Amino acid sequence: DGGITQSPKYLFRKEGQNVTLSCEQNLNHDAMYWYRQDPGQGLRLIYYSQIVNDFQKGDIAEGYSVSREKKESFPLTVTSAQKNPTAFYLCASSMGFPYNEQFFGPGTRLTVL
Amino acid sequence: AQTVTQSQPEMSVQEAETVTLSCTYDTSESDYYLFWYKQPPSRQMILVIRQEAYKQQNATENRFSVNFQKAAKSFSLKISDSQLGDAAMYFCAYRSSQGGSEKLVFGKGTKLTVNP
Repeated sequence: DGGITQSPKYLFRKEGQNVTLSCEQNLNHDAMYWYRQDPGQGLRLIYYSQIVNDFQKGDIAEGYSVSREKKESFPLTVTSAQKNPTAFYLCASSMGFPYNEQFFGPGTRLTVL
Repeated sequence: AQTVTQSQPEMSVQEAETVTLSCTYDTSESDYYLFWYKQPPSRQMILVIRQEAYKQQNATENRFSVNFQKAAKSFSLKISDSQLGDAAMYFCAYRSSQGGSEKLVFGKGTKLTVNP
């Protein structure tokens, strides 16, 4: 079955540690995205990538980093510079412009202890 | 910058009844896309329906339909014959049609409760 997988489902981090969230897709989509969701808020874009080896900052990129070495993979690293990292993180993909539907993974819940 | 507003934090409906969720947006663009996403308790975001701004006809997907009023910048979702499985958070989202502007701008969501 084609789809988007995110791992782990739950992640706990101590303050000062970097953590990496995994996102993999087998939909052959060109574009991939990372969103953050906080309680009572909609989703906010962290980073996105339209092609391999290229990515752009979204609205809240500070304290995060990404890489896009393979079409299928778009990992997100939450660094110690992110002041309030506890949130629900959603990865999405799309075929890229002009196709506009984004399909989402099941998400990762990150908690800072 | 575009913004999306969902003025109803919570709504409730009786099973088998009809409910309408509101969404307004602000943009200076003439061509764009609008979406409704559903987020059930599993937290998986599911696309419910999409609307292209250049199309005058309102989109329909089974029990889900939209009322797209371009001049008023309004994009409401109507759910007919509500079912218990419709209970979820619903998010309205906007996407520019300009190449390179691929991000979705989301509203804060409406929590829908379906009462048996």
